[in-house]
Amino acid sequence: DAKTTQPPSMDCAEGRAANLPCNHSTISGNEYVYWYRQIHSQGPQYIIHGLKNNETNEMASLIITEDRKSSTLILPHATLRDTAVYYCIVRASQEYGNKLVFGAGTILRVKS
Amino acid sequence: DTGVSQDPRHKITKRGQNVTFRCDPISEHNRLYWYRQTLGQGPEFLTYFQNEAQLEKSRLLSDRFSAERPKGSFSTLEIQRTEQGDSAMYLCASSLVGARYTGELFFGEGSRLTVL
Repeated sequence: DAKTTQPPSMDCAEGRAANLPCNHSTISGNEYVYWYRQIHSQGPQYIIHGLKNNETNEMASLIITEDRKSSTLILPHATLRDTAVYYCIVRASQEYGNKLVFGAGTILRVKS
Repeated sequence: DTGVSQDPRHKITKRGQNVTFRCDPISEHNRLYWYRQTLGQGPEFLTYFQNEAQLEKSRLLSDRFSAERPKGSFSTLEIQRTEQGDSAMYLCASSLVGARYTGELFFGEGSRLTVL
């Protein structure tokens, strides 16, 4: 699976959009981009995933560049409860259920 | 059944003792994963099962570690002769592989091990 690069930490004001970047320049055609987050003392939680089109669900939006070498997770109105570590993961072939390989992630601190 | 459950949530043991963790996945899920997480790091893959078959083991899974999923439902992770370096959070996750697969893994709250 391709490696990802994320900033180690970011701050965001409560109520503002949080934009979390991820670089995955070696991504290949069959690899999906997944985002998970981990709130302190809890297990990771799935947020969203995509292949090449932008995706949106009730939690977040995922913007993938046309060349697929980077993506951005957007939390449109961050709250204090969104403070967590956010992991960007590239994973091949969703049909086969390959394991997730986590990096260090980005610590997002939402401040009032 | 509302999610993946792990037991115990916390375990403190002395070096050299054996410990066992249990994971109950979401009932219809056929795939089960074990991860280990140390402070400040992302979860590290240990092993996974498809039903009762153990399909992959990480190099991190030394011979002191053994995982089973005897009936394709719950799983156990045993650590023999614990060492202080085994202190970590042990996370279990499950997923449904097949026609309804979405790629999502559902994680439990983890079992925190402290080896004194």
